[in-house]
Amino acid sequence: AQSVTQLDSHVSVSEGTPVLLRCNYSSSYSPSLFWYVQHPNKGLQLLLKYTSAATLVKGINGFEAEFKKSETSFHLTKPSAHMSDAAEYFCVVTLNFGNEKLTFGTGTRLTIIP
Amino acid sequence: EPEVTQTPSHQVTQMGQEVILRCVPISNHLYFYWYRQILGQKVEFLVSFYNNEISEKSEIFDDQFSVERPDGSNFTLKIRSTKLEDSAMYFCASSEGGRVSNQPQHFGDGTRLSIL
Repeated sequence: AQSVTQLDSHVSVSEGTPVLLRCNYSSSYSPSLFWYVQHPNKGLQLLLKYTSAATLVKGINGFEAEFKKSETSFHLTKPSAHMSDAAEYFCVVTLNFGNEKLTFGTGTRLTIIP
Repeated sequence: EPEVTQTPSHQVTQMGQEVILRCVPISNHLYFYWYRQILGQKVEFLVSFYNNEISEKSEIFDDQFSVERPDGSNFTLKIRSTKLEDSAMYFCASSEGGRVSNQPQHFGDGTRLSIL
C-alpha cells in the first residue's frame, strides 16, 4: 500500500519570497510521485512528475521538486512566489508498475501575501 | 491543449434519486477514472475503466455505483439511489495508458453533487 503525508495544511508566504510545500510518502515499491494544483472552482492540473529518472524534477510555472529516497520526501519548491500561485496543492503517489490508482495527500492551501 | 470536460458543473438531487455524471475524456486516451472529494477531505479514488470494463475499484464504489462508456466519447458515473453522504465533488480523469508513471492522468473541472 502507498500513502502520502502533506505536513502543512496551510502555508502563507509573501509575494517574491520562496515557497516550500512538504510531502512525505510511503510505498512498498518504487513509486511515481506527482504534484497537482487546484485553483478555485477548477480541476486538478499536473504540475510535475517523478518517474525514477532524474531526482530533481522541473515543472510548470517555475515549480520544482526533489525526490529524496533516504528521507522518503518529495517537497515542492519555487524560488519566488507570485500572486497567481495561490491555490491548493496535492502531493500524489502511485506504484511504478502499472497500478493506475492515484493516492492523494490531504492538500496544502498556499496563500500569497501581497 | 485537449481537455477533459465534465457536465454538469453542479448537480442538485433529492436523496434516493438516481444521478448520472457525464465526462468526455481526451479523445486518444484509453484509460478512464472517477475520483471524488468530500468537502474538507482528500481526493479519493473510485474506479478505473479500460477496454469497456472496470480494471480497479475502491471500497467506496459499491453496488449503488456504476460506470459506462455508452459511445465513443462519453464516460458516465451513475449513482442509483443517492444518499446524503454522496455529496461531494466528482472528478473524471483520463490517461493514454495504464502505466501512470509515463502517462499522467488529466482531470476535468469536476461536478459538484449536492444531495438534499
